[in-house]
Amino acid sequence: QSVLTQPPSASGTPGQRVTISCSGSSSNIGNNYVYWYQHLPGTSPKLLIYRNDQRPSGVPDRFSGSKSGTSASLAISGLRSGDEAEYYCATWDGSLSGPVFGGGTKLTVL
Amino acid sequence: QITLKESGPPLVKPTQTLTLTCTFSGFSFSTTGVAVGWIRQPPGKALEWLALIYWNDDKRYSPSLKTRLTITQDPSKNQVVLTLTNVDPVDTATYYCALWRYDAFDFWGQGTVVAVSS
Repeated sequence: QSVLTQPPSASGTPGQRVTISCSGSSSNIGNNYVYWYQHLPGTSPKLLIYRNDQRPSGVPDRFSGSKSGTSASLAISGLRSGDEAEYYCATWDGSLSGPVFGGGTKLTVL
Repeated sequence: QITLKESGPPLVKPTQTLTLTCTFSGFSFSTTGVAVGWIRQPPGKALEWLALIYWNDDKRYSPSLKTRLTITQDPSKNQVVLTLTNVDPVDTATYYCALWRYDAFDFWGQGTVVAVSS
């Protein structure tokens, strides 16, 4: 059971916009930045969004993040087949004194 | 160019100690705020953070595994070592090391697959 709650799956057709939610508590999301990772099959996880809504260099602006209270979300617009991956939210948890990950959301492009 | 690479045995027996090494390059481990961490992913399951070691040798462990984990650094070799004692088949996973900066793991190694089986 992960500390952060994500839907196990999400899907969309090419060109659509999908959002993935991440729910936590005051000990984690509520008082810390949220990060999102993209884990493509056969590769290492890649930092997609940092500090709630910032994109590292090279990440397309089709990917955006937001946070409100103890929840956060990742939005992907202009969906492409290459976006099929597992997406994880993460943040620091003050009660655990360490980073925590969500359970992951498998995105399928139909 | 920042790189991290994990190494370790692909197979360990139950009750043995697993030792994993992360060899890194392209960044200075003496930079304030920098840390190297270990994360694992059991087959079909989510990412799980295990341990962090900071530039000043401060160490953090996952509370659920704290009694079994030890993380150390060897700056002269640009290495971070993780040991996990008394392994069990549930410890079968891909183990990643990653660079921790600005409160995130921003560079990851390729991962090393470890199976625990007799």
